[in-house]
Amino acid sequence: AQSVTQPDIHITVSEGASLELRCNYSYGATPYLFWYVQSPGQGLQLLLKYFSGDTLVQGIKGFEAEFKRSQSSFNLRKPSVHWSDAAEYFCAVGATNAGKSTFGDGTTLTVKP
Amino acid sequence: GAGVSQSPSNKVTEKGKDVELRCDPISGHTALYWYRQRLGQGLEFLIYFQGNSAPDKSGLPSDRFSAERTGESVSTLTIQRTQQEDSAVYLCASSLGRGRLVRSPETQYFGPGTRLLVL
Repeated sequence: AQSVTQPDIHITVSEGASLELRCNYSYGATPYLFWYVQSPGQGLQLLLKYFSGDTLVQGIKGFEAEFKRSQSSFNLRKPSVHWSDAAEYFCAVGATNAGKSTFGDGTTLTVKP
Repeated sequence: GAGVSQSPSNKVTEKGKDVELRCDPISGHTALYWYRQRLGQGLEFLIYFQGNSAPDKSGLPSDRFSAERTGESVSTLTIQRTQQEDSAVYLCASSLGRGRLVRSPETQYFGPGTRLLVL
């Protein structure tokens, strides 16, 4: 069975600092991986997804993620965090059709001025 | 264009009552999904509709939960005899759908959710 672990429940960074959110997955085959962001009072928005090919994936809002098969990880990164990035971030793994995705429990990001 | 909409945005009900939650997907999207998000947790897949195919109900937690979809438009999630553990945010999402040539995992577009509180 597929599973996703986001080890950090809550992360606080200063505005302008770099960010890395961790995601580890368990999946029997080549996984399809996603990162979503959920801002307060808003629905989830897809940041980026990995299907195949280049293991470094670029997403919206300046985010990127790197697929590392040897570590079963798909960590999300941003070189310089903005106050508007404060939100909850979810990593997900799934089949071609993301309706069968399994989501992690999320990481809440707080940005200090 | 309009995104996915859900109604009501909030619903408070008494234990034992039935509730109906509505989802209007993006026009032209043939795939529709329902998820449940309990406080402090990730999304839990409930049910998936794809065009006229039989829905994938593998995520429904009990027979108190059911969902319908009219063609490729609005969907209703019904919870009968609500229990306190049903309290959660119920999210709906839509995507273009498998009927098209899909070269990569489809992007799902999520609605704002319905926050359900069962007293």
